[in-house]
Amino acid sequence: EDQVTQSPEALRLQEGESSSLNCSYTVSGLRGLFWYRQDPGKGPEFLFTLYSAGEEKEKERLKATLTKKESFLHITAPKPEDSATYLCAVRANMDSNYQLIWGAGTKLIIKP
Amino acid sequence: ETGVTQSPTHLIKTRGQQVTLRCSSQSGHNTVSWYQQALGQGPQFIFQYYREEENGRGNFPPRFSGLQFPNYSSELNVNALELDDSALYLCASSLGGRPYFGPGTRLLVL
Repeated sequence: EDQVTQSPEALRLQEGESSSLNCSYTVSGLRGLFWYRQDPGKGPEFLFTLYSAGEEKEKERLKATLTKKESFLHITAPKPEDSATYLCAVRANMDSNYQLIWGAGTKLIIKP
Repeated sequence: ETGVTQSPTHLIKTRGQQVTLRCSSQSGHNTVSWYQQALGQGPQFIFQYYREEENGRGNFPPRFSGLQFPNYSSELNVNALELDDSALYLCASSLGGRPYFGPGTRLLVL
């Protein structure tokens, strides 16, 4: 069964304290791994798409990496405005369904 | 801004009623998908429409149905509402690539 697991469930950091969020996946043929940021009561905001093991992408203080079993979202010197829930999703190689399979998210809190 | 809008923003219904949620996709996006997100969980795929036809469905009962229109708008209809249908409903549009999400409709079923 295709599955996505994110850890930790919640993470509290001091401003400037770097860390990483994990997304482990089990899918039959990966057709893309997506990272989104979601603020309370709002829709997910796109961050990155990764397609193959070894791929890396960066945007400001965020860097996403991908292996054959997991993806990491590295946050360098975070600021309070980086506080949000970070969601990971995968698209699997299924012929008749195009759904994204989502993890439950990591709630990140950055304290000033 | 993703260019995807949803209405209404909030809605309160009672058990057994019917509800219609609306989404306006980004112009030119021929694919729209709908997701249900319960509090503290990731989104769950309901179904997807491509050029006005359903071409993918998650594990949701038939009382969840939808429509996609030629002007890139779409609807999610839910009949016989249950308490567990209370959630944030998200619409996402795409043109073969990554989905662009709207702000969602918060539905509360009492």
